[in-house]
Amino acid sequence: NAGVTQTPKFRVLKTGQSMTLLCAQDMNHEYMYWYRQDPGMGLRLIHYSVGEGTTAKGEVPDGYNVSRLKKQNFLLGLESAAPSQTSVYFCASRAYRDRVTQPQHFGDGTRLSIL
Amino acid sequence: AQTVTQSQPEMSVQEAETVTLSCTYDTSENNYYLFWYKQPPSRQMILVIRQEAYKQQNATENRFSVNFQKAAKSFSLKISDSQLGDTAMYFCAFMPQGGSEKLVFGKGTKLTVNP
Repeated sequence: NAGVTQTPKFRVLKTGQSMTLLCAQDMNHEYMYWYRQDPGMGLRLIHYSVGEGTTAKGEVPDGYNVSRLKKQNFLLGLESAAPSQTSVYFCASRAYRDRVTQPQHFGDGTRLSIL
Repeated sequence: AQTVTQSQPEMSVQEAETVTLSCTYDTSENNYYLFWYKQPPSRQMILVIRQEAYKQQNATENRFSVNFQKAAKSFSLKISDSQLGDTAMYFCAFMPQGGSEKLVFGKGTKLTVNP
């Protein structure tokens, strides 16, 4: 049971380059999330999705795009990377059952450095 | 907007002793959920305990318990019989019931358990 898997785990980019982070979950969860974690800060929500084909903005969406073409996958894209996007990125997912909030399950994170 | 405040950036405790981590939050919502997440050096976010705001009884999970004071908007975590494996960052988090799917995190408390 893999849970939430993020790829890659580490990446170094140059300013202006683009890349996509992949999040995959095998728990059939409806909701998926992308967070970033900066030193001395809690996690901040970038974008989230409440189901296949739907996405919504979180607290810090600028400079990122997302897609949820398949229920199990949630992609986070950086079209033109900037040094301010150097961070650790976490993906999470959770189930939606009878309007009772289920806890979020997190991946191991992706450390992204932009030079 | 909801905010979560953890006023203790770092704490330490001796093995087998008890430690309490504090968390306060600000919200105008009446129904919501509160969580404590643990992030060990491996980086993975692990749910420790959760509390539904409509429940007066404090949640307990083995050595972990909370003191939930709704009127004071306080949600502290007590760790009993501390173990070396409890060394980690601990994040308090808030999520309103229904509507927004935003999980709002505090900045975290770094807990070190000393042998």
